[in-house]
Amino acid sequence: KNEVEQSPQNLTAQEGEFITINCSYSVGISALHWLQQHPGGGIVSLFMLSSGKKKHGRLIATINIQEKHSSLHITASHPRDSAVYICAVRKTSGSRLTFGEGTQLTVNP
Amino acid sequence: EAQVTQNPRYLITVTGKKLTVTCSQNMNHEYMSWYRQDPGLGLRQIYYSMNVEVTDKGDVPEGYKVSRKEKRNFPLILESPSPNQTSLYFCASRQRGGEGLGYTFGSGTRLTVV
Repeated sequence: KNEVEQSPQNLTAQEGEFITINCSYSVGISALHWLQQHPGGGIVSLFMLSSGKKKHGRLIATINIQEKHSSLHITASHPRDSAVYICAVRKTSGSRLTFGEGTQLTVNP
Repeated sequence: EAQVTQNPRYLITVTGKKLTVTCSQNMNHEYMSWYRQDPGLGLRQIYYSMNVEVTDKGDVPEGYKVSRKEKRNFPLILESPSPNQTSLYFCASRQRGGEGLGYTFGSGTRLTVV
């Protein structure tokens, strides 16, 4: 079983819809990261979380440490949000980063 | 502009011919790391460095070497590349401690070993 599981693997939405991507992990962590990978391959950090909730524009990320679960929400989705969204956890033992398999999001106009 | 610079962007090489992929950051970040990305396997960490002269293995270090002689540079060395090292490679850096977005990634290096 993977230490980091994301769901769904693929998600198709209509422009304007509210989107949720989930991430569950099974190890002790010091931080959780949400990343965005564009079709061209470049990777951008969206959030780093160790507790609670963060918001940046239309993106909101939450984490529940007790339940070992995080969610990434996109409000009023837009075709330019189409990308792969990747959850990664930084383990408490050392500084290794372990990644989920990613969620391919497609937002249609 | 704050960035992580990887070179080359694309590289085709032959089995056994030593190569180095360079990574440089201009943000004075202490932490640097290398990852490979493969279809169906996602991103996996190869090596990381917490500071100058401090390096440690990630999940898939076999066949790779790294060095951290200066804070800004973290080259990835393939002493004897093999076809199973064909992959998309990313370098990243971050400031240890504190808040912020986390990692800054390079643009990637697509390596093909024939």
